[in-house]
Amino acid sequence: AQSVTQLGSHVSVSEGALVLLRCNYSSSVPPYLFWYVQYPNQGLQLLLKYTSAATLVKGINGFEAEFKKSETSFHLTKPSAHMSDAAEYFCAVRKAAGNKLTFGGGTRVLVKP
Amino acid sequence: EAGVTQFPSHSVIEKGQTVTLRCDPISGHDNLYWYRRVMGKEIKFLLHFVKESKQDESGMPNNRFLAERTGGTYSTLKVQPAELEDSGVYFCASSQEGNPTYEQYFGPGTRLTVT
Repeated sequence: AQSVTQLGSHVSVSEGALVLLRCNYSSSVPPYLFWYVQYPNQGLQLLLKYTSAATLVKGINGFEAEFKKSETSFHLTKPSAHMSDAAEYFCAVRKAAGNKLTFGGGTRVLVKP
Repeated sequence: EAGVTQFPSHSVIEKGQTVTLRCDPISGHDNLYWYRRVMGKEIKFLLHFVKESKQDESGMPNNRFLAERTGGTYSTLKVQPAELEDSGVYFCASSQEGNPTYEQYFGPGTRLTVT
């Protein structure tokens, strides 16, 4: 069975500082990996996805993530946090042969001025 | 183009009552998914429709939950009778294709509170 671990349920960063959200997965086969963001009172929005092409994936709003197979990780980064980045972020995995997403527990990001 | 919509946005019911949640997927999306997030835990898969057929219902917690998608358009998720542990946020998502690389578009969720 697949599982996804997000280290830290809450992260606080200063505006302009690096945002680093950690995600590790366990999977018997190379999966498809996703990062979603949920802003207050909204649905989940796809930030970026890894689908076995380039290991460094660029997404919307200046976010990017790097797939590291040897570390089974897919950490999300943004060089400079903006107040509008305050939200909850979810890492998710999807088996190549399956359709359902398996999510991590989510990380809520607080951006301090 | 309208996104995935869910109704109601909030529902508060008493234990033992029945509640029906509705999801309207993006037009033309044959794949429809239900997920649930209980008490700040991880979002968990409930089931997957392809058109009107249940492709995967391995995440349905028990027989108090009934999902339908008559005609392959909107879907309903009925909880009968509701229990306290059913409280949470129910998300619906849809995708154009079943290919894993295709994005699942999520609705805003229905927050269910069972008292």
